[in-house]
Amino acid sequence: EIVMTQSPATLSLSPGERATLSCRASQSVNSNLAWYQQKPGQAPRLLIYDASTRATGIPARFSGSGSGTEFTLTISSLQSEDFAIYYCQQYNNWPPWAFGQGTTVEIK
Amino acid sequence: EVQLVQSGAEVKKPGESLKISCKGFGYSFTTYWIGWVRQMPGKGLEWMGTIYPGDSDTRYSPSFQGRVTISADKSISTAYLQWSSLKASDTAMYYCAKITRYGYNLDSFDIWGQGTMVTVSS
Repeated sequence: EIVMTQSPATLSLSPGERATLSCRASQSVNSNLAWYQQKPGQAPRLLIYDASTRATGIPARFSGSGSGTEFTLTISSLQSEDFAIYYCQQYNNWPPWAFGQGTTVEIK
Repeated sequence: EVQLVQSGAEVKKPGESLKISCKGFGYSFTTYWIGWVRQMPGKGLEWMGTIYPGDSDTRYSPSFQGRVTISADKSISTAYLQWSSLKASDTAMYYCAKITRYGYNLDSFDIWGQGTMVTVSS
């Protein structure tokens, strides 16, 4: 079973700052990695798939990188609407499709 | 518009059965895998299982195998998640979600339902 580990658990930043979120897989998932954003009371929203491809309608300030076991989600300049919880998910093999435990990006 | 619309919130007692639904609109329901994801209060996302509505091929997470049943009725573009005997620990928000790409069974989820809150309490 592949385990996904996200760090840090919480990131405290100010609007306009750059956010860098990490996700590590316990074994290679190639580039089969997605990132989701979830705001309170809402369903998750797909941001990035295949490690670096932005989903439809996602702003260019969101970017993903990495392959194998190490992945990064970068938000180049935080906007007020970006403060949320972010999850990574591997879909290289199943079962199960594993999610990371999440990183909360909060206003400093 | 592509969307998944889930059934409403449920309040049940331990030991009761339940079936919640997820109806797809705006796309070919039978040709995209649909997954179910659990989110317990204040916790993260857990993949439960996935079904291909075209032929009802279903895969379960080992954590949920035998505890829930996933099914689909392609004639009405609806997927289901059901329990035969609920426990208090089943209290959670349950989301259905559609696979991003046609023809893929291992993929991200691009469209999510609004969620169904299930509360199990005596």
